[in-house]
Amino acid sequence: DAGVIQSPRHEVTEMGQEVTLRCKPISGHNSLFWYRQTMMRGLELLIYFNNNVPIDDSGMPEDRFSAKMPNASFSTLKIQPSEPRDSAVYFCASSFLQAQKLFFGSGTQLSVL
Amino acid sequence: GNSVTQMEGPVTLSEEAFLTINCTYTATGYPSLFWYVQYPGEGLQLLLKATKADDKGSNKGFEATYRKETTSFHLEKGSVQVSDSAVYFCALSDRSGGGADGLTFGKGTHLIIQP
Repeated sequence: DAGVIQSPRHEVTEMGQEVTLRCKPISGHNSLFWYRQTMMRGLELLIYFNNNVPIDDSGMPEDRFSAKMPNASFSTLKIQPSEPRDSAVYFCASSFLQAQKLFFGSGTQLSVL
Repeated sequence: GNSVTQMEGPVTLSEEAFLTINCTYTATGYPSLFWYVQYPGEGLQLLLKATKADDKGSNKGFEATYRKETTSFHLEKGSVQVSDSAVYFCALSDRSGGGADGLTFGKGTHLIIQP
């Protein structure tokens, strides 16, 4: 298996633009997580899905952030409009429901100018 | 709420030195404890885990013992290598089954091993 696949690896955009981050979880995994990593705040859970259903989005910072999981093999995290303070590395991770081991993608480095 | 506290980094050691990265936690009940490692340019990956008090997790020469009395899960390795340079994250899960949806991560400790 190729592991969790995220795209793009790097994204540079201007303030006010829409940004869409993509994730393909490991086949068969039924839980998917979006995390944000910054130097100041460390690793923050933004939202997670079980069986394609959003379970907890309390970590989503603002209404500018939205996430979808239309099927078991694809999820998106959208920021509209983007702001410089959104600059971070965004990770997608997947696991089996109730499993202890989380598998992370390589992340998307987002820079908002 | 749950929280994980790790020692501030970066931690810089010479090759073959002994490593300890401290981790303490606050949680209700009986959490499962984990160490994840992040190599440069990659996502986190599970290094080891322990699910109950006095359990010892081990992998790739790293060890950590679940100490309920001191609420600690310190990571140790007897002889580090340059290839161990990475960021190490301590984490806990408060789900009874240790599910990933209950994970709380520490801020990470950057380890630098010099040849």
